[in-house]
Amino acid sequence: GDSVTQMEGPVTLSEEAFLTINCTYTATGYPSLFWYVQYPGEGLQLLLKATKADDKGSNKGFEATYRKETTSFHLEKGSVQVSDSAVYFCALSSAGGYNKLIFGAGTRLAVHP
Amino acid sequence: DTAVSQTPKYLVTQMGNDKSIKCEQNLGHDTMYWYKQDSKKFLKIMFSYNNKELIINETVPNRFSPKSPDKAHLNLHINSLELGDSAVYFCASSPQGMTYNSPLHFGNGTRLTVT
Repeated sequence: GDSVTQMEGPVTLSEEAFLTINCTYTATGYPSLFWYVQYPGEGLQLLLKATKADDKGSNKGFEATYRKETTSFHLEKGSVQVSDSAVYFCALSSAGGYNKLIFGAGTRLAVHP
Repeated sequence: DTAVSQTPKYLVTQMGNDKSIKCEQNLGHDTMYWYKQDSKKFLKIMFSYNNKELIINETVPNRFSPKSPDKAHLNLHINSLELGDSAVYFCASSPQGMTYNSPLHFGNGTRLTVT
C-alpha cells in the first residue's frame, strides 16, 4: 500500500541554519504531496503542496520539489527561526480515490537562538 | 471565527465509559474527517464523510461510530472505552473530499485519556 517515510527527529538547529527534512514515498500512480506543520498544542496546518512531478511548493520560506524519479519531496528552508520549531509531517494523497491523506511519522524541529 | 472547532479540548474518563467528541466547521466544506494521533505523533485516518455520506471507513473497532447530522458537523462516539483509545483525535475538513488533492483544514484536537 501507499506509504510515506520521513527522517527521524528530533532535528536541532541554531537560528539561521539551513534546514532539510527528507521525505520519500511509495504510491501507485501519481499522488499529490503535502507538507503539514503542527505547532505545540495545535492542529496541523498546510505548509505547502505539489500535485505533479517537478512542481515546487513554497510558503513562508519553505520549499519542496516533487521528484518522481527519486520518489521524494524533501522540505528545505534557507534560514530557520526559533518560531519554526514544530513537528513537520510529509503526506500523500493518491489519485483515483477519495481524499485520504497518508502521513509520515513526523519530524520534530527544535531551533534555538 | 474558528474554522474547524472541536469540543472538548481535553477528555479524561475511565475504562468502559461511553463518550462523544463534537466537531463543527464553518468553512462551507463538503467533506469532514476524523484522524487519530498516537503518543508517537503518528496520524491515521479513521473516517470521512462527504455531504453526510460515509466515504472512508478504515479498520477501526466498531466501538467507534461517527455521525454526521449535516455537512458542517461530524461527531465521534466511542463506546466501552479502552486504555488503548488514549490519543489525540483530530477533526478536519476539505472543500472536495471526492478529489485527491484537496488540502485539509484541521481542528486543534481533543486529547482523550482513558484511565
